[in-house]
Amino acid sequence: NAGVMQNPRHLVRRRGQEARLRCSPMKGHSHVYWYRQLPEEGLKFMVYLQKENIIDESGMPKERFSAEFPKEGPSILRIQQVVRGDSAAYFCASSLTGQGASYEQYFGPGTRLTVT
Amino acid sequence: GESVGLHLPTLSVQEGDNSIINCAYSNSASDYFIWYKQESGKGPQFIIDIRSNMDKRQGQRVTVLLNKTVKHLSLQIAATQPGDSAVYFCAENMAQGGSEKLVFGKGTKLTVNP
Repeated sequence: NAGVMQNPRHLVRRRGQEARLRCSPMKGHSHVYWYRQLPEEGLKFMVYLQKENIIDESGMPKERFSAEFPKEGPSILRIQQVVRGDSAAYFCASSLTGQGASYEQYFGPGTRLTVT
Repeated sequence: GESVGLHLPTLSVQEGDNSIINCAYSNSASDYFIWYKQESGKGPQFIIDIRSNMDKRQGQRVTVLLNKTVKHLSLQIAATQPGDSAVYFCAENMAQGGSEKLVFGKGTKLTVNP
């Protein structure tokens, strides 16, 4: 049973370019969460999605950032017109349910974004 | 604002000793807490969790203690091994408006000396 998969693992973008980060949840999981981690910091919640729905995007910057989790295919975190401050590790997690006994979130290996 | 934080950013122990990593939280309504281990270049790995109706939970070599009175969480690792060297994060589950999300502390870096 494959775990949460993220790609690419490393991504380098110049300022002003777009970054697309992909996350495939664990098999059978329909809840996806994105987190951002700066060096020497903890993970900060960005967005929580279910299939075709954004449940909570309270941690997403108001501009340039968007996320989707289509009916088919992986979840995508998209960052438009990247700036140096976007450089960070972005982690995706998935869970079987959104709450309750099966709520445990499983994390992927992360995508390390570097903006030059 | 409400947050989860840690008292010590680094901890160095000798192999075979017991380790204790502490965490303070401020949201008294949180009902679920988790400890994660993160090795360099990897994603967080679930270690152990505890719900607010418990004050202690044990796993293999690890114990989590929850003191709701002072809003304190701790992770105890018995007979610490070099493979335990990593950054440890506590996280609390925050439920708001039909959504549930994890709020992480900054982490404690554990170094195990052989």
